[in-house]
Amino acid sequence: KAGVTQTPRYLIKTRGQQVTLSCSPISGHRSVSWYQQTPGQGLQFLFEYFSETQRNKGNFPGRFSGRQFSNSRSEMNVSTLELGDSALYLCASSFTGGENQPQHFGDGTRLSIL
Amino acid sequence: DAKTTQPPSMDCAEGRAANLPCNHSTISGNEYVYWYRQIHSQGPQYIIHGLKNNETNEMASLIITEDRKSSTLILPHATLRDTAVYYCIVLRSNDYKLSFGAGTTVTVRA
Repeated sequence: KAGVTQTPRYLIKTRGQQVTLSCSPISGHRSVSWYQQTPGQGLQFLFEYFSETQRNKGNFPGRFSGRQFSNSRSEMNVSTLELGDSALYLCASSFTGGENQPQHFGDGTRLSIL
Repeated sequence: DAKTTQPPSMDCAEGRAANLPCNHSTISGNEYVYWYRQIHSQGPQYIIHGLKNNETNEMASLIITEDRKSSTLILPHATLRDTAVYYCIVLRSNDYKLSFGAGTTVTVRA
């Protein structure tokens, strides 16, 4: 059974640009969550999608957005990139979400802003 | 959310059991205890979770005290590939948001 797949694995951008990251969840999983991980802030929740609808949102500015497609694949977009956006962006999927369903992570996209 | 406290680091000999403690004294009755680990440059890996009862799977065992104020993750036969940062998390009902603390850096030595 294939795991969560994130593309690309590495990305280098400059300030002011925008970026789109992609996530393919485990087959059958319909809940997809996005996280940002940095050495200073640790793991921070961005948002969660289920059935193409954003169901939960963390405390990030509107420059961070996402969407989910009918096949449960998800994309995350960051516009007007800032130096502080350099981080490991992780996607996690579960069947339908909730506290009794483990979230399974991909290996992330490492975004570096120059 | 209930906070968790873990030792910052621990060493373990290869082939021996590794017992990782976690304190969550403010846990509520409907909050789950989850364990994840993260090896450098990889995404976090789910290990095990539980509510009240002890749990075991192919990776580890989770022992939760009767008052649920603490738990122990047991890796029965540690290998060098178990070297990682281990995170203990308490997840409340209807909450999808994982949040990792500093975790315990486990080093398995040959």
